[in-house]
Amino acid sequence: DADVTQTPRNRITKTGKRIMLECSQTKGHDRMYWYRQDPGLGLRLIYYSFDVKDINKGEISDGYSVSRQAQAKFSLSLESAIPNQTALYFCATSDPLRGGSTDTQYFGPGTRLTVL
Amino acid sequence: AQSVTQLGSHVSVSEGALVLLRCNYSSSVPPYLFWYVQYPNQGLQLLLKYTTGATLVKGINGFEAEFKKSETSFHLTKPSAHMSDAAEYFCAVLMDTGRRALTFGSGTRLQVQP
Repeated sequence: DADVTQTPRNRITKTGKRIMLECSQTKGHDRMYWYRQDPGLGLRLIYYSFDVKDINKGEISDGYSVSRQAQAKFSLSLESAIPNQTALYFCATSDPLRGGSTDTQYFGPGTRLTVL
Repeated sequence: AQSVTQLGSHVSVSEGALVLLRCNYSSSVPPYLFWYVQYPNQGLQLLLKYTTGATLVKGINGFEAEFKKSETSFHLTKPSAHMSDAAEYFCAVLMDTGRRALTFGSGTRLQVQP
């Protein structure tokens, strides 16, 4: 089984709808991240969490919110989806205590979101 | 602030030829450097990373990268391309302070011609 899972894998929705993307991990890592990938722009950080009580904004948090329900779960919400949020979304985890100080990040398979 | 520049959004090589994917970074402190690969319709997979110590880093699938502080570069190479190397490659930097989240380059798509 995959260590980092994302659901759904694909989603098509309409402008104005609320959408939640979910991420679960079995790696036991404390740190979790949400990125979005757009062609030609690489991956950009939306939000990150270093533990259940710690949530931080990334580069492009406007229009998004997150919830860290447990160490293993980190959800990304689009309160009112708009077309320019059409992208590939990745969840990642890391744990410096296990991976040394290098914070190697492990990525989920991604969620392809289309907002019409 | 840190940033990553990948020169060339698309690189095409012949099978068996040298692969060279370029990455330059800017960072006010010594960075940790990573190369990730993304195969079609898949997530990102770590190829290799530089933290400290030896500047020539070997990764999976025959790839290696050399950290050159004087040139602020971390170019990815493979002596002989294989068709299965066709993918998108991302260079990323992480600073040992503050946010500790990766900053990615814009990616380079590698095509391997038969």
